[in-house]
Amino acid sequence: EVQLVESGGGLAKPGRSLRLSCTGSGFSFGDYGVSWFRQAPGKGLEWLGFIRNKVYGGTTEYAASVKGRFTISRDDSKSIASLQLNTLEAEDTAVYFCSRHISGWYYFDYWGQGTLVTVSS
Amino acid sequence: QSVLTQPPSVSAAPGQRVTISCSGTSFNIGDNYVSWYQHLPGTAPKLLIYDNDKRPSGIPDRFSGSKAGTSATLGITGLQTGDEADYYCGTWDSSLNAVVFGGGTKLTVL
Repeated sequence: EVQLVESGGGLAKPGRSLRLSCTGSGFSFGDYGVSWFRQAPGKGLEWLGFIRNKVYGGTTEYAASVKGRFTISRDDSKSIASLQLNTLEAEDTAVYFCSRHISGWYYFDYWGQGTLVTVSS
Repeated sequence: QSVLTQPPSVSAAPGQRVTISCSGTSFNIGDNYVSWYQHLPGTAPKLLIYDNDKRPSGIPDRFSGSKAGTSATLGITGLQTGDEADYYCGTWDSSLNAVVFGGGTKLTVL
């Protein structure tokens, strides 16, 4: 069974950093791209960025709203993708989801349940 | 402000049919495949439609997708109370080099 599980969420102060993880199981993790999304309270889903699989160079793309502040990486040996959130702002408070996709195709067939990040002093 | 435009809400009675529209531009919907997702609060979003009109295994044929020009449509027939959820369209934007989503449509089954 394909599963994606996010972890690492919690309470963080403005200006601090947080690192989220997405652990995959039930499939060949390295064959897929991994995307990160978030949903702020009362808002819709927002794509944050993705990392391609190694065949496509393991390169990344980011939404303009988080480029330079968020970084996605992956460790295929551990079936983990990470989202590093730097210089956190109150507006980053959201549930963060990871999902997988076939690199070169932009639909997301499996998603995790999400992890909550709350940014507050 | 989302790149793709969806109506904030739609409603219909059980057993009826509803459609949800998704409007974009030549750089996103007009140039790329569209996918649709169902999201219930507190759960993982679920892929309903990919490549404009294809259903993943396990998605009933009550759900359908279509695309014409720079707009796409999700159709749901035989509405059930369990279909109450938020629905999102998404695609790639060739100008922004980014995945773009609609703002979501809340479906109420009256």
